[in-house]
Amino acid sequence: ELKVEQNPLFLSMQEGKNYTIYCNYSTTSDRLYWYRQDPGKSLESLFVLLSNGAVKQEGRLMASLDTKARLSTLHITAAVHDLSATYFCAVDIITQGGSEKLVFGKGMKLTVNP
Amino acid sequence: NAGVTQTPKFRVLKTGQSMTLLCAQDMNHEYMYWYRQDPGMGLRLIHYSVGEGTTAKGEVPDGYNVSRLKKQNFLLGLESAAPSQTSVYFCASSPLMRGTNTEAFFGQGTRLTVV
Repeated sequence: ELKVEQNPLFLSMQEGKNYTIYCNYSTTSDRLYWYRQDPGKSLESLFVLLSNGAVKQEGRLMASLDTKARLSTLHITAAVHDLSATYFCAVDIITQGGSEKLVFGKGMKLTVNP
Repeated sequence: NAGVTQTPKFRVLKTGQSMTLLCAQDMNHEYMYWYRQDPGMGLRLIHYSVGEGTTAKGEVPDGYNVSRLKKQNFLLGLESAAPSQTSVYFCASSPLMRGTNTEAFFGQGTRLTVV
């Protein structure tokens, strides 16, 4: 059974600081997605990582994928309050029947304090 | 630019009542998904569909049924609601993701309370 584990699950950090969060998964996949969710809202796509070594950056966030290690990282640079949200990673896997499905981690709740 | 629309947005049910949640997408996507979100549990896949007329079970299918009679609609049914089904339900849709650089798109969620 596929497991997608995020670490940490809760993070409180000060504005201006840097931090890296992790997403590990337990089965072969070369596609990983990062989503952001604000309280009471839906999920918004941040990054689509499609292959080993993929790196994408948007503003203060940078995501990378290492398919051999089954690991993705989301690096936060010089955090600001607006980044406070819950961040989910999701892995795209192929089922025995050949279809695709997305499996999510539990999410990491980030609070950025002034 | 509707995207993925869920109906209703909020609902309170009594134990044993039934209801249907509707998800509609206007992006001509093949795949549609129903997830539930509970505190500390992330999103768990209930059922999904890989095309019109097809459905498949996800991680937590018990107590739910689904139908995909039209490509643009994916219905989630609760035949006899239980308090354990109190949750926020999200629908998502995507094209066939392999071979593309796209992702799944989510609806705004349905907050269901079973009393």
